[in-house]
Amino acid sequence: NAGVTQTPKFQVLKTGQSMTLQCAQDMNHEYMSWYRQDPGMGLRLIHYSVGAGITDQGEVPNGYNVSRSTTEDFPLRLLSAAPSQTSVYFCASSYSRPSKGNTIYFGEGSWLTVV
Amino acid sequence: DAKTTQPNSMESNEEEPVHLPCNHSTISGTDYIHWYRQLPSQGPEYVIHGLTSNVNNRMASLAIAEDRKSSTLILHRATLRDAAVYYCILRDASREGAAGNKLTFGGGTRVLVKP
Repeated sequence: NAGVTQTPKFQVLKTGQSMTLQCAQDMNHEYMSWYRQDPGMGLRLIHYSVGAGITDQGEVPNGYNVSRSTTEDFPLRLLSAAPSQTSVYFCASSYSRPSKGNTIYFGEGSWLTVV
Repeated sequence: DAKTTQPNSMESNEEEPVHLPCNHSTISGTDYIHWYRQLPSQGPEYVIHGLTSNVNNRMASLAIAEDRKSSTLILHRATLRDAAVYYCILRDASREGAAGNKLTFGGGTRVLVKP
């Protein structure tokens, strides 16, 4: 199993540019989410999805869009990048029902710098 | 969401045990206690989880207080590879979708292992 795959691993953007961080999982998980992690801090939830066609906002959604057209993919779009979005981004996936499996799997992260 | 409290950092010598405490005084009856760790420049990875009884796996042991208001993650023989930030997180296993899968990350405990 590949698990949770994120691309790209590193990206430098100019202020105002847009880009998409890709996330794919091959475990047939219903729940997927995006977190950001700023230096020295824990992860904060940006957006999440409980299944294809269903998304919702987390703790820090401003400046980001998501969509979930398939079970496997959950891309995160930065509409107009700002320096405040410089961070490390993690995608995660899990079964919607913890009784099916208690582990939440994380990708390896995408390091984004906005200059 | 129920909150957890952990020390900011702990040091250990290689090959010695490490005891990482976590307080969760507002834990509810259906909250599982989960531990994740984050190695440098990687995404969080699952370590162990438990509800009421002590738990062991190949990575660690989890000791849960009788009143469930605190727990301790035990790394029996720390290696240099165990140097990471360890997060204690509560997860409501009775709920599906976002309610059962949204994780609230605190600052975690940074474990330093000295050779």
